[in-house]
Formats: sequence, C-alpha cells, structure tokens
Amino acid sequence: ETGVTQTPRHLVMGMTNKKSLKCEQHLGHNAMYWYKQSAKKPLELMFVYNFKEQTENNSVPSRFSPECPNSSHLFLHLHTLQPEDSALYLCASSQPTGANTGELFFGEGSRLTVL
Amino acid sequence: QKEVEQNSGPLSVPEGAIASLNCTYSDRGSQSFFWYRQYSGKSPELIMFIYSNGDKEDGRFTAQLNKASQYVSLLIRDSQPSDSATYLCAVNMRLSSASKIIFGSGTRLSIRP
Repeated sequence: ETGVTQTPRHLVMGMTNKKSLKCEQHLGHNAMYWYKQSAKKPLELMFVYNFKEQTENNSVPSRFSPECPNSSHLFLHLHTLQPEDSALYLCASSQPTGANTGELFFGEGSRLTVL
Repeated sequence: QKEVEQNSGPLSVPEGAIASLNCTYSDRGSQSFFWYRQYSGKSPELIMFIYSNGDKEDGRFTAQLNKASQYVSLLIRDSQPSDSATYLCAVNMRLSSASKIIFGSGTRLSIRP
C-alpha cells in the first residue's frame, strides 16, 4: 500500500451533482489535510484534522464538507459546486507533533472538473 | 501581505551552477520551515526542513534560515536538469496541535544544459 491514496484520480461533475473525494493514509499519522491547487495559484489550505477533530477551516465555502471518521480516512463531500472550483485537490497527512512536525506526505491528488 | 512569499520565476540556471531560491514569511512566531519540490503533474515532495537559524546541508541542497529577517532560502549546488521543477516554500504556523502549513506560490526553476 502506498502512503497516501486518493480516489478518484479524476472527477467530472455538473454543478448540481453531489460527489465525494476519498483519502486514506497508511503511515500511522494523526493529522490529515485537504489542499486545493489551482493553476497559477499557491496551494491553498482548506481543512486540517488532528486525531479526527477539525482544527482548521480556512474560510472554505460550505459547498465543501469534510469528514474524518478516523485518523486514517478523510473525505471531502462536494455539492452544488461552481466552475471555479475546478482544481487539483490534494490530501496530505503528517504527525502533529515531534521533530518533523509539519512534514506532509501527499497523495497523488484528485483532479476535479466542474461543468 | 501574503503569509509566505516567493518569486514565481522562472529562474533559469545553467547546468552545474548554483541555484538560489528565496522565501519570506510574515508570522514571526513560525517555528518550522520546509522546501518541497513539485514536478509538473505530480504532488509536492519534501526535500528539506529546517528549524534553527543558520544552514542545514543535505547532499547538494542547503537550506538557510534567518528568523530575525523572516527569511528562508534553498541553495542547490551542481544543478542538474532533473532539478527543473517548481520549488515550494512552506511554513508551519502553529506550535502545537496539528500543523497549519502554509505554502508560497512556488518558484519555477529551469536548469539549462
């Protein structure tokens, strides 16, 4: 099993659809993250979960709804998205404390296109 | 003011030369700093992290941190074509609990043969 796995890798959806992105990590980490990467923009932090509790919501619109049922799984539920939400959504995990605090391990990303 | 700032480039460096990448950050309380490399179509991967003022060397890479100036840099010696990528500076803006890691916009580096 690779460290951080994201599914689906590609997703095309209409503005009225509801879909979900899934992330699973096999590294024994306790912190998980969602980032958004758009063309010509920096990686934008969306949500942070630490031991299943949300510790950061970076002013993300409510049409994005995260869920973290346990420290290994993270979901991003999508509904009534806009075309400007088309981007690469990256999941990452890390150990929340310790010498390497903040070293992120990324999944390969889910490329989302909203029509 | 952006939380983490980098020159977007592109930075073009001849093969074998030293590439110098710079980053500034706004939160004076930040404690840990990272350089990630991202190839086109791929996810970022960590290449260096630094916590203490001064230099940290790892092979051809040297990270430099100056907390007083809120400045982080990455030097790549003996640049190779495989070093051509976007380099992302990242700052952990939280001391405890889960990390809040903010990225700069990245500097695109091109190594010309």
